[in-house]
Amino acid sequence: GENVEQHPSTLSVQEGDSAVIKCTYSDSASNYFPWYKQELGKGPQLIIDIRSNVGEKKDQRIAVTLNKTAKHFSLHITETQPEDSAVYFCAASMGGSGYSTLTFGKGTMLLVSP
Amino acid sequence: DTAVSQTPKYLVTQMGNDKSIKCEQNLGHDTMYWYKQDSKKFLKIMFSYNNKELIINETVPNRFSPKSPDKAHLNLHINSLELGDSAVYFCASRAEGSRLFFGEGSRLTVL
Repeated sequence: GENVEQHPSTLSVQEGDSAVIKCTYSDSASNYFPWYKQELGKGPQLIIDIRSNVGEKKDQRIAVTLNKTAKHFSLHITETQPEDSAVYFCAASMGGSGYSTLTFGKGTMLLVSP
Repeated sequence: DTAVSQTPKYLVTQMGNDKSIKCEQNLGHDTMYWYKQDSKKFLKIMFSYNNKELIINETVPNRFSPKSPDKAHLNLHINSLELGDSAVYFCASRAEGSRLFFGEGSRLTVL
C-alpha cells in the first residue's frame, strides 16, 4: 500500500518568514495530493490540493509543488502569520476512485512566533 | 450548517465499558470514514463505508464495530474499552474524486 513520509515533524519560524514542509510517497499510481491544516481542538481542513497533471498550484500565500518523477511534493507558506500555527498533514491517494483512501503523513507542527 | 457532525465531542469512561460515537454528514457524499488520531497526532484510517457497504476495514480489533444505517450516517460502537483506545476519533466523508471533509472529532478518554 501507499506510504507517505513527512518532514519536519516540527517547524518554528518567525512571523513573516517562509515555511516549507516536504512529503514523499511510495505508490507511483497515486495522483491526488491534498494538504490539511488542523488547528487545536478541531478536525483537519483542506487548505490546498494538487493533482498529478500539474506541477505547481498557488492560492495566495500557500503553494504546493509536485515532482512525480521523484515522488515528492511540498507545501510552501510565505509571509507566515501567527494564525498559521497548526499541525499540517500531507496525504496521497488515487483520487479518481470513490473507493480510494487517503494515506496521511505523520504531520508537521508549525509554530509561528510574533 | 455543519457539514460533518459527530457526537459526543468528549467522552470519559471506565475500562471495560461499551460506548458509541455518532456521525452524520449533510453533504450528500457516498463514502464515509472513521479515523483514529493518537497522542502523536498520527491519523490512521479505521473503516470506510460506501453507500452503507463496508469497503475498508483496517487492522482494527473486533471490539470496534461500525454501523451505517443510511449513507448519511456512520456510527462507531466500541465494546470492552481499553486504555489504549484513548484517542480522538474523526468521522469524515467524501464524494468520488473530491476532497475529504472531517468532523470536529470525539475525544475518548478511557480511565
